Amino acid sequence: GAVVSQHPSWVICKSGTSVKIECRSLDFQATTMFWYRQFPKQSLMLMATSNEGSKATYEQGVEKDKFLINHASLTLSTLTVTSAHPEDSSFYICSARRGHEQFFGPGTRLTVL
Amino acid sequence: GEDVEQSLFLSVREGDSSVINCTYTDSSSTYLYWYKQEPGAGLQLLTYIFSNMDMKQDQRLTVLLNKKDKHLSLRIADTQTGDSAIYFCAERGNTDKLIFGTGTRLQVFP
Repeated sequence: GAVVSQHPSWVICKSGTSVKIECRSLDFQATTMFWYRQFPKQSLMLMATSNEGSKATYEQGVEKDKFLINHASLTLSTLTVTSAHPEDSSFYICSARRGHEQFFGPGTRLTVL
Repeated sequence: GEDVEQSLFLSVREGDSSVINCTYTDSSSTYLYWYKQEPGAGLQLLTYIFSNMDMKQDQRLTVLLNKKDKHLSLRIADTQTGDSAIYFCAERGNTDKLIFGTGTRLQVFP
């Protein structure tokens, strides 16, 4: 299968700061990437669809001004959690679509103190 | 909206077969997927099936699809302790989005 990486794998930050998470497709180009959030012992919740060269499409209830998504190239999408608060602590996973398949990154664990 | 349901737990003995079931509601599903998630990790794509297929086999994995009943299953033959993980089914309808099930925690004991 294809490889998708995320950086960092974990991050701890203070309340009120911003955190950027990178998602890269290493061996293929992805016009469409996705950002998910996963709470402990729960399924994945789609936050937004990231489209290369255009604005992201956010799911209902996800604040686009808080979760900024940029997909500036065919291999990189970034998610910036702005003014993070403890309730933003979660496991964030990205994925990239190649044809009918969707490959996931290893996830980023964000802890906001 | 679309809904995907799975049983929460499955426990099997090493060497036996595991069958993980999934039901979905979206009649316009085009592809259905099985993913494996180990603790603290992302999701690994195991296999997927096109909605006009009934069965797909890939080494120890067999996927069965009953489109009429909207039922998907994943059979793992000769289950090993390394297969212990959470298994998610997901369906893709007319959009790019995947709708995930609740996940089934598979525990394999010796």
